[in-house]
Amino acid sequence: DVKVTQSSRYLVKRTGEKVFLECVQDMDHENMFWYRQDPGLGLRLIYFSYDVKMKEKGDIPEGYSVSREKKERFSLILESASTNQTSMYLCASSPPLTGASMNTEAFFGQGTRLTVV
Amino acid sequence: SQKIEQNSEALNIQEGKTATLTCNYTNYSPAYLQWYRQDPGRGPVFLLLIRENEKEKRKERLKVTFDTTLKQSLFHITASQPADSATYLCAPWTGFQKLVFGTGTRLLVSP
Repeated sequence: DVKVTQSSRYLVKRTGEKVFLECVQDMDHENMFWYRQDPGLGLRLIYFSYDVKMKEKGDIPEGYSVSREKKERFSLILESASTNQTSMYLCASSPPLTGASMNTEAFFGQGTRLTVV
Repeated sequence: SQKIEQNSEALNIQEGKTATLTCNYTNYSPAYLQWYRQDPGRGPVFLLLIRENEKEKRKERLKVTFDTTLKQSLFHITASQPADSATYLCAPWTGFQKLVFGTGTRLLVSP
């Protein structure tokens, strides 16, 4: 059974702390994604990676960075957490999104609910 | 700029009826479009994918249409059940490795 695992289900951090959210997939997927989800705003893409050590900004990268040192692991880093980063964070992975691989789908982790106080 | 729009208001229907959800997109031409289901507190789960050269795709009680002229996809659930209550998200493929979603429409099926 395919799996995307996020390191924590719930997390509470203080303002100004450096926060690491970890995501591991066991499907040998090239693509990995980090989203945040807030009521009324839907899933918003923060960063994605299409290969080891490669990263691309999504729609809302400000205040975040990422690391992909190994294919199976994609980390989201909040350099200095702020209260407006309180949210549900979702990680996903997929095979390459190309015209040739038209049956690709993304697999999501269970989410990390982060509260910054 | 590129935009994906889904009805933000919840759709309330009675059990047994057909639910129809809409996904509109602007300023790009996706080669395919995916639909996902999301339950509260959980990550989205893939349901169906439709390609630009397919007008319609079916899977059990689900049907998806894709009109590239109208820039719209419709997602239908026939003979709806209370267990179909969830938020449904569309994801048109933008042509790059980026995967983005609409805001989702919440469906409530009452017995």
